[in-house]
Amino acid sequence: EPEVTQTPSHQVTQMGQEVILRCVPISNHLYFYWYRQILGQKVEFLVSFYNNEISEKSEIFDDQFSVERPDGSNFTLKIRSTKLEDSAMYFCASSGTGGANHQPQHFGDGTRLSIL
Amino acid sequence: AQSVAQPEDQVNVAEGNPLTVKCTYSVSGNPYLFWYVQYPNRGLQFLLKYITGDNLVKGSYGFEAEFNKSQTSFHLKKPSALVSDSALYFCAVTTSGTYKYIFGTGTRLKVLA
Repeated sequence: EPEVTQTPSHQVTQMGQEVILRCVPISNHLYFYWYRQILGQKVEFLVSFYNNEISEKSEIFDDQFSVERPDGSNFTLKIRSTKLEDSAMYFCASSGTGGANHQPQHFGDGTRLSIL
Repeated sequence: AQSVAQPEDQVNVAEGNPLTVKCTYSVSGNPYLFWYVQYPNRGLQFLLKYITGDNLVKGSYGFEAEFNKSQTSFHLKKPSALVSDSALYFCAVTTSGTYKYIFGTGTRLKVLA
């Protein structure tokens, strides 16, 4: 069964440094998402991406965050200047359709980001 | 604003017994509801969804869920629990006009042998 893959599985970064989290969505999916889960808390939506542009973002997704689909397979999340509170598990997801059809989002195993 | 409540942090059930994991939601508009399961150090795996139609939906691994509009609930059920069902279960809701899922806080299911 096709999977969403994320790399690296664990990223340790100094506060203030830039970090890029990488994802390869399921190949025929068109909608891409990032979520995060701070330890012990609920999974929170960050951003959705369709047709090479952001379709929706949360208040968490401020100017320090950006997303990109640099080629036909990768989908990346960049945090420009990391803060301690960015420490979390970051999940990438993809779906075949969005909107009213609501095919389920399929999630990767996550990247654990630790900011020191 | 959309929200999901999973009132139980943990549910314990004996192997072979039926299990229920509770979820209630609040949305403006028609809800689209999902259940996901998370095993240690893994991502969220899709179990089942309710979009429209029959209130009882069946999903993976013998799980099912019942949509109850009047009670705004979408409880996850399984007739006979297995030890391997022990995991963290998340309920999620979305609606028309948005792509984001709103997740509950999760319920840890522990099936005892």
